[in-house]
Amino acid sequence: GQQLNQSPQSMFIQEGEDVSMNCTSSSIFNTWLWYKQEPGEGPVLLIALYKAGELTSNGRLTAQFGITRKDSFLNISASIPSDVGIYFCAGQGGSTLGRLYFGRGTQLTVWP
Amino acid sequence: DADVTQTPRNRITKTGKRIMLECSQTKGHDRMYWYRQDPGLGLQLIYYSFDVKDINKGEISDGYSVSRQAQAKFSLSLESAIPNQTALYFCATSDPASGQNTEAFFGQGTRLTVV
Repeated sequence: GQQLNQSPQSMFIQEGEDVSMNCTSSSIFNTWLWYKQEPGEGPVLLIALYKAGELTSNGRLTAQFGITRKDSFLNISASIPSDVGIYFCAGQGGSTLGRLYFGRGTQLTVWP
Repeated sequence: DADVTQTPRNRITKTGKRIMLECSQTKGHDRMYWYRQDPGLGLQLIYYSFDVKDINKGEISDGYSVSRQAQAKFSLSLESAIPNQTALYFCATSDPASGQNTEAFFGQGTRLTVV
């Protein structure tokens, strides 16, 4: 299967700091998605990216589809305690007919 | 009400028992998926179905089976549960007709413990 490397694995930051995380794949993807999972819940879609170079924002979140189509980045500005959770990247390649491959997640902890 | 509903939310079962996890959706999506989540390992695809007559294996299908009873229902079975199947299980749906067919919508998960 396709390999996704997501980093960092965990982050401990203070409220107000900015956060960056990224995901790289061993092959080209046509779509990158970023999800957030809170304790006891399923992942919720934050941002979807469909074109290489695309930069998309959702409030304080900004994500980019890398121009090589093998990576994506998620930034969170001015973090707040409710940003706590696990963030997952997911990608879909042209040959996988809608199947998503997930990174292992970034566990974010925000100290007040 | 949730668009993707999983039952039960929590289950403890004994080794060797057969167990079924159920998923129903009100989104009208054709595509449904079952994922397994283990700490630190992300989400691994068990089975997926693109319509009622279509069933496909994912990366970790061994020890599992599925049934797509209707467009809205997709169940996952463990024929003989074993302890290393203890995990969090998620059902998801997506809609190819939307033009953004890779966006998956998840249920709240079923926490399964096999003792």
